[in-house]
Amino acid sequence: SAVISQKPSRDICQRGTSLTIQCQVDSQVTMMFWYRQQPGQSLTLIATANQGSEATYESGFVIDKFPISRPNLTFSTLTVSNMSPEDSSIYLCSVGTGDYNEQFFGPGTRLTVL
Amino acid sequence: AQKITQTQPGMFVQEKEAVTLDCTYDTSDPSYGLFWYKQPSSGEMIFLIYQGSYDQQNATEGRYSLNFQKARKSANLVISASQLGDSAMYFCAMRTYSNTGKLIFGQGTTLQVKP
Repeated sequence: SAVISQKPSRDICQRGTSLTIQCQVDSQVTMMFWYRQQPGQSLTLIATANQGSEATYESGFVIDKFPISRPNLTFSTLTVSNMSPEDSSIYLCSVGTGDYNEQFFGPGTRLTVL
Repeated sequence: AQKITQTQPGMFVQEKEAVTLDCTYDTSDPSYGLFWYKQPSSGEMIFLIYQGSYDQQNATEGRYSLNFQKARKSANLVISASQLGDSAMYFCAMRTYSNTGKLIFGQGTTLQVKP
């Protein structure tokens, strides 16, 4: 299994500001994934973060809004830029182990934008 | 298109009884994996069980078992001997080998266990 930590666990932010969320894994992994869960909704993949290359974004998500860094094999950050109330969500990072028969999630960052 | 469908928005079960949560999926990829997660009110996603498309037997993990019917494209979660702590949201998810690591989630089912 993998142990994943995220910082911050929650935050309340003003519209127009940016927040950077950190994800730390206790083992080296090739790919890290960032998901968003809007209130009362299911999870949606934002992007895949690979070490040493640009992140790959899913349809509807753009780098200017959600820039991602992946400086090494155990760490990644997701920034939510120029926030609006519609960005209020839980943001979760995820990693897979082995052949991705197990995929684990961090505890999530609960973001509220006023 | 790949899709996961959970048709039960909410379910009730009596403590100590078994409950089945439904999940159907759609994919044209012959290789895929199916996952179930539990999300309590705290928001964390707890991995419960995995079933690979080529696995011959249904997956089991403690009180959780996955009723995998490939021809019907269904992967229902069975929770035996329900406990009060099982009250949570449950998500079915799928990934295909052509999209390694990327999970597509269903809309979830809220399970409430009654004492």
